[in-house]
Amino acid sequence: GENVEQHPSTLSVQEGDSAVIKCTYSDSASNYFPWYKQELGKRPQLIIDIRSNVGEKKDQRIAVTLNKTAKHFSLHITETQPEDSAVYFCAASMTGGADGLTFGKGTHLIIQP
Amino acid sequence: GAGVSQSPRYKVAKRGQDVALRCDPISGHVSLFWYQQALGQGPEFLTYFQNEAQLDKSGLPSDRFFAERPEGSVSTLKIQRTQQEDSAVYLCASSLLQGRTEAFFGQGTRLTVV
Repeated sequence: GENVEQHPSTLSVQEGDSAVIKCTYSDSASNYFPWYKQELGKRPQLIIDIRSNVGEKKDQRIAVTLNKTAKHFSLHITETQPEDSAVYFCAASMTGGADGLTFGKGTHLIIQP
Repeated sequence: GAGVSQSPRYKVAKRGQDVALRCDPISGHVSLFWYQQALGQGPEFLTYFQNEAQLDKSGLPSDRFFAERPEGSVSTLKIQRTQQEDSAVYLCASSLLQGRTEAFFGQGTRLTVV
């Protein structure tokens, strides 16, 4: 089955700086890669996703890049703000949709004021 | 409804007790998923329904775990003879169309087995 590795497990950045979280996946058949943000005690919420026919996608301060050849994808957050502090999960799916997602173990992002 | 609703939010069970966790998906959503999230870990897939059909239950950890969605809307995850290793947050998610749209998560049920 699919295996998703995510790093770093913890990332601390100064407010205003950029943060980058990286994930690798094992199954070349995976074609859907969402990123979820989860605040303590709350539900995971989708912040951005990318499909395998696209190399990069951007939404305001958040961007995701995908390298199918190397089987890795990354989340980039620019101009970080205190409210960006949370745990971020990457995930991969083989069906082109949201069913049967395989998640990474998460990155705890800490924004230092 | 406005979002995916799960109940109860918290459940404490004595080891060996049976529990039932409920998920109300967003109205009209065809796909429903259950995930298990251990403390400090990412969600792990348990099972998937398309309407009332359980299409994938490969993630269920043992035969003590059982899920159903008899009318294609509300789903129940049942755990029989709970054990301490079952302690986790159980997340339910739904999506409008299989393989095409975003999955929305509920807030989860935190199960603690003592």
